[in-house]
Amino acid sequence: RKEVEQDPGPFNVPEGATVAFNCTYSNSASQSFFWYRQDCRKEPKLLMSVYSSGNEDGRFTAQLNRASQYISLLIRDSKLSDSATYLCVVNSWNNDMRFGAGTRLTVKP
Amino acid sequence: GAVVSQHPSWVICKSGTSVKIECRSLDFQATTMFWYRQFPKQSLMLMATSNEGSKATYEQGVEKDKFLINHASLTLSTLTVTSAHPEDSSFYICSARDHPGVSGGKSYNEQFFGPGTRLTVL
Repeated sequence: RKEVEQDPGPFNVPEGATVAFNCTYSNSASQSFFWYRQDCRKEPKLLMSVYSSGNEDGRFTAQLNRASQYISLLIRDSKLSDSATYLCVVNSWNNDMRFGAGTRLTVKP
Repeated sequence: GAVVSQHPSWVICKSGTSVKIECRSLDFQATTMFWYRQFPKQSLMLMATSNEGSKATYEQGVEKDKFLINHASLTLSTLTVTSAHPEDSSFYICSARDHPGVSGGKSYNEQFFGPGTRLTVL
């Protein structure tokens, strides 16, 4: 079983739509959780950290369910510029980052 | 936020040659740098963790004699792909870990990534 699993998509949504991505992780001792965004042929960039209480940054909301070992990212009012691959990242027991394969999002006019 | 550079951004070489990739943290000191490899439509795979002044820690399945890592200073780590073969063609990305308050990172353990190096071995 992969350490971090994501639905690869692709998700094709119209502008203005709300879209949600899910991610599960296998190591119950994981401590830190993140969502990164990666544009085609570019390096990943941190979108937001994920806290146990859930957190929001503008149109983006991240949630963590430790009991189910599940992380989610919700994007409201999608923009064309949101088109990218979204990577779920989990900090493993030895403080190394483990990346999911990514979920590809395309927002269409 | 912190800036990490990589050089070269792309390289094409013949099979059997060695290629060196540099990773630099430009405005902060990074005691730890990471090297990743990403094949098309796949996730980033951690190859090794590079600590300044000590030997790198390699992930299982990554040949340390083939992928030589040197972290000579707090701002520079290099990855040398020795005797490269076509199957080594990939996108190699380095990252450096920052701590909040040093360079305005959003969170503890945030990693800042270099722009990547696309290696094509003919």
